[in-house]
This record gives sequence, C-alpha cells and structure tokens, in this order.
Amino acid sequence: GIQVEQSPPDLILQEGANSTLRCNFSDSVNNLQWFHQNPWGQLINLFYIPSGTKQNGRLSATTVATERYSLLYISSSQTTDSGVYFCAVVGYNFNKFYFGSGTKLNVKP
Amino acid sequence: DAGVTQSPTHLIKTRGQQVTLRCSPISGHKSVSWYQQVLGQGPQFIFQYYEKEERGRGNFPDRFSARQFPNYSSELNVNALLLGDSALYLCASSLGEQSTDTQYFGPGTRLTVL
Repeated sequence: GIQVEQSPPDLILQEGANSTLRCNFSDSVNNLQWFHQNPWGQLINLFYIPSGTKQNGRLSATTVATERYSLLYISSSQTTDSGVYFCAVVGYNFNKFYFGSGTKLNVKP
Repeated sequence: DAGVTQSPTHLIKTRGQQVTLRCSPISGHKSVSWYQQVLGQGPQFIFQYYEKEERGRGNFPDRFSARQFPNYSSELNVNALLLGDSALYLCASSLGEQSTDTQYFGPGTRLTVL
C-alpha cells in the first residue's frame, strides 16, 4: 500500500498565526484530499487536490505530485480551526484511501 | 442536499455480540466505503461497494462483512465482537468507483465494546 506521513503530529498556535501542514506519500496518486476532523469525529472535506494549488478563504493547498508531497496552509488561524487534519490519497491501481496519522492543531485564544 | 448519514450515532456492546451499522450515501452516489478509526490513528479501509458488488476489501478478519442494497445504502456487520473493535466507524460515499472520485464522509458510528 501507499505510505502517508504527515507532519508535524501536533501543533499549538496563538489565534491569528499562520501554519503549514505537510503530507508526504510514497507512490504516485490519482486522488488526494485534505480533511478536517471535528471534535465529534466528522471528517469535513477541505480540498480535492491531486495536483496544483487551490484556495478557499483562509485555507489553501498545494500538491506537487512529481515530488510526492502536499501542503495545507492555514492563515490567520481561529479557535474553530482546532481539530485533526488528515491527508488521504488513492493510488492509480487502488480504490481505497490511505490516510496519514493526522496533524492535531490546537489554536489558543 | 443531505449528506452521508449513519446510524446509530453511538453503540455499546459486549464481547461476543454482533453489531450492524447503517449508512445512506448522498443522493446519486453509487459507491459506499467503510473505514475504521481507532483512537489516535487515521481511518483504515474496510470495504468498498459499488452497484451492490464488493470492489475492495481491507486487511480485516472475516468477522467483518458488508452489503449494499438496491437503493445504494449499506450495512456493515461485525460478528463475535472483540474489545479491539471499539472504534469510530466511518462511511464514505462517492459518485462512482473511480479513484479520482471525491469521497464524502458521514458523521460516524462510535462503537464501544465492553
């Protein structure tokens, strides 16, 4: 299977700070999604981004498929951004997501 | 439009019992996948179903089974429950079975085995 590594595992920020979360993957992928898991366990779709760059408000993401990594940027963080951020990938020959272990973000007021 | 729905929200069972979890995909979606998430880890793939046929199976014992109905809803069954089956069970739906299809997750069912 595809190995997915996320860093850092834990991140503490003051409200208003910016952050970058990284996702490395071990093989070519056909699908890459970033999710935010809220305290109740719901996985919220943030980006579908197998390659290129996308922005949605204070969040943006970049995937460099040839170098097998993706970055999630959070600007002007808010306490509501707290939770666990997961990167998940699907390979060309597979039909299932491989998830990383997540980055746990805690934004303090 | 309603998102992916799952029932029940929470469930408490004892070792050796059997459990059935239910999932309704987003309207128009024909593929349903099941994932298990234990505390502190990322979700692990259990099954994918498309058009009522199993399309993929993860590394889980035969105690785990699933099926998909003509309306594309799905059930996950776990027999002979073990303490280690305690986890959040997530269902995801997508339009089709292509690896490029965007997956949308439900709120999950939290199973506790005592």
